[in-house]
Amino acid sequence: SAVISQKPSRDICQRGTSLTIQCQVDSQVTMMFWYRQQPGQSLTLIATANQGSEATYESGFVIDKFPISRPNLTFSTLTVSNMSPEDSSIYLCSVHDRGAGANVLTFGAGSRLTVL
Amino acid sequence: RKEVEQDPGPFNVPEGATVAFNCTYSNSASQSFFWYRQDCRKEPKLLMSVYSSGNEDGRFTAQLNRASQYISLLIRDSKLSDSATYLCVVNRQGSYIPTFGRGTSLIVHP
Repeated sequence: SAVISQKPSRDICQRGTSLTIQCQVDSQVTMMFWYRQQPGQSLTLIATANQGSEATYESGFVIDKFPISRPNLTFSTLTVSNMSPEDSSIYLCSVHDRGAGANVLTFGAGSRLTVL
Repeated sequence: RKEVEQDPGPFNVPEGATVAFNCTYSNSASQSFFWYRQDCRKEPKLLMSVYSSGNEDGRFTAQLNRASQYISLLIRDSKLSDSATYLCVVNRQGSYIPTFGRGTSLIVHP
């Protein structure tokens, strides 16, 4: 299985600031996915990050709020911009785990964000 | 109607009990089905894929009912370590992006 390193694992931020979350994979992958999990809720896909092209955002998420970089096949960042308390959540990156079967995802450990 | 629906629970059962969860999906074109496990403050991890013929892995059995559009997870001889949230995950045909249910919480007590 792919091994994903995600950081920071947690952070407490002030309203109006921005935070960048990093995700490093130990193998080359075509797509990287960014999810949000709000307390007691399901995982919601924010965007799909492809190397060499702009990320594809899901309904309700926009590039200005969640800019994504994908400089190579093993790394991606997600920035949460101009944060408000409503952005307090766990943010997770994930990739397809080819060794486990089609459409199976492996996740990073998540970044727990609290916005004051 | 949500695309993937689960009873959030919690299901509170004693050690050794058998417990079953169901998950319904709304899109009849769904193709791939999974159960993930998420421990408190941890990331989700694949528990098992769900095949048309059903599959079993030790104490865990997963089944798919396409006619009624639901999948199930049966846990036999529950252990304290089975306490977690179980996420139902469904992929539409031709889509590489899964849809997650909100999860069913299981608490196994001594």
